[in-house]
Amino acid sequence: EVQLVESGGGLVQPGGSLRLSCAASGFTFSNYWMTWVRQAPGKGLEWVANIKQDGSEKYYVDSVKGRITISRDNAKNSLYLQMNSLRAEDTAVYYCARGVGVRAFDIWGQGTMVTVSS
Amino acid sequence: QSALTQPRSVSGSPGQSVTISCTGTSSDVGGYNYVSWYQQHPGTAPKLMIYDVSKRPSGVPDRFSGSKSGNTASLTISGLQGEDEADYYCCSYAGSYTVLFGGGTKLTVL
Repeated sequence: EVQLVESGGGLVQPGGSLRLSCAASGFTFSNYWMTWVRQAPGKGLEWVANIKQDGSEKYYVDSVKGRITISRDNAKNSLYLQMNSLRAEDTAVYYCARGVGVRAFDIWGQGTMVTVSS
Repeated sequence: QSALTQPRSVSGSPGQSVTISCTGTSSDVGGYNYVSWYQQHPGTAPKLMIYDVSKRPSGVPDRFSGSKSGNTASLTISGLQGEDEADYYCCSYAGSYTVLFGGGTKLTVL
């Protein structure tokens, strides 16, 4: 079964850090662009970052540049999101998703909640 | 990077058709044939329903169709069913390996 499972969410204070993980199974992970999308409580979807198959190219939404880093380990079939200098506005459910190129997302994880609050 | 514009809500009766619009600019929706649509039921992850403007992934009913004209894309759901009640989000490639989502539309089946 093709599956993505996120982990690592939780409660963190403003200015703190958190590392999210996404474990992939059921497909050849190294063949796909991968993406993180987030959804603030009661709000819409927001694309956060994506990464090329070999990790050589990474792209971010402006609001997270310099604070958040996407990475992957193809040997471990895993995608990561390192989040530093967290702000209240980063509070959201974070989904990892498999890319149809960079233009669509066909497989989604169940999401992991990140809450930034003192 | 502003979000794509969608109506906040639409509604229809079972068996009817509804269309959800998604308006962007020539830098996103109008510039590429890379619009996708996602269905999201409460508390669950989004599901891809349409990609590349009008292509349906395997398993998506043919009641769902997509189109685009200029800077506006549309999702049409025909033969509405109760299970179609959900939030729907459009998404467009916006160049430089980035994408934009719409604000979302809540579909109510009356």
